[in-house]
Amino acid sequence: AQTVTQSQPEMSVQEAETVTLSCTYDTSESDYYLFWYKQPPSRQMILVIRQEAYKQQNATENRFSVNFQKAAKSFSLKISDSQLGDAAMYFCAYRGTGAGSYQLTFGKGTKLSVIP
Amino acid sequence: DAGVIQSPRHEVTEMGQEVTLRCKPISGHDYLFWYRQTMMRGLELLIYFNNNVPIDDSGMPEDRFSAKMPNASFSTLKIQPSEPRDSAVYFCASSLGTGEGYTFGSGTRLTVV
Repeated sequence: AQTVTQSQPEMSVQEAETVTLSCTYDTSESDYYLFWYKQPPSRQMILVIRQEAYKQQNATENRFSVNFQKAAKSFSLKISDSQLGDAAMYFCAYRGTGAGSYQLTFGKGTKLSVIP
Repeated sequence: DAGVIQSPRHEVTEMGQEVTLRCKPISGHDYLFWYRQTMMRGLELLIYFNNNVPIDDSGMPEDRFSAKMPNASFSTLKIQPSEPRDSAVYFCASSLGTGEGYTFGSGTRLTVV
């Protein structure tokens, strides 16, 4: 079974600075998808960024980018120019492509605080 | 599109009562998922459907939990009888195909007293 590990339960960053959230995963599949979700206090789960494992190029969405290291099974999220609205729980998630593995497997999350 | 719609947003019930949570997925999405979120266990998959057919219900904790998807636009998760340990936030999510991220509903916070 796939597992997703987020080793940083909490992190903080100064407003306008850059922060990197870590995620590692374990899988025997060669093709899969990785995601970062944001959950603010409103509890809404918001998709931040998506990476396809067969693409070597790291995904980028405005101030959010990832560092995808397939061999190391690492998928970190970098937030540049941090804003107060970035304060939230961030979840790393894995989705397989084999039959019966289409569900998202989530890490335990990292709580990000943004200091004004 | 209005997104994934869940109801109710909050539910408080007494132990032993039946609880029904409802979900309307995004039109055209062929996968529907029910997750439970607690502080201790994080986000856990309960069950998911593909084209209205249950595919994997191995995450349903016990026989007190049941889920149905009678058509492509509606799903329910029922707990009967409810217990205090069922208190959690229950999310419904849908997706198109297998390579996309999910779109989540806003969740139902269930409190069983």
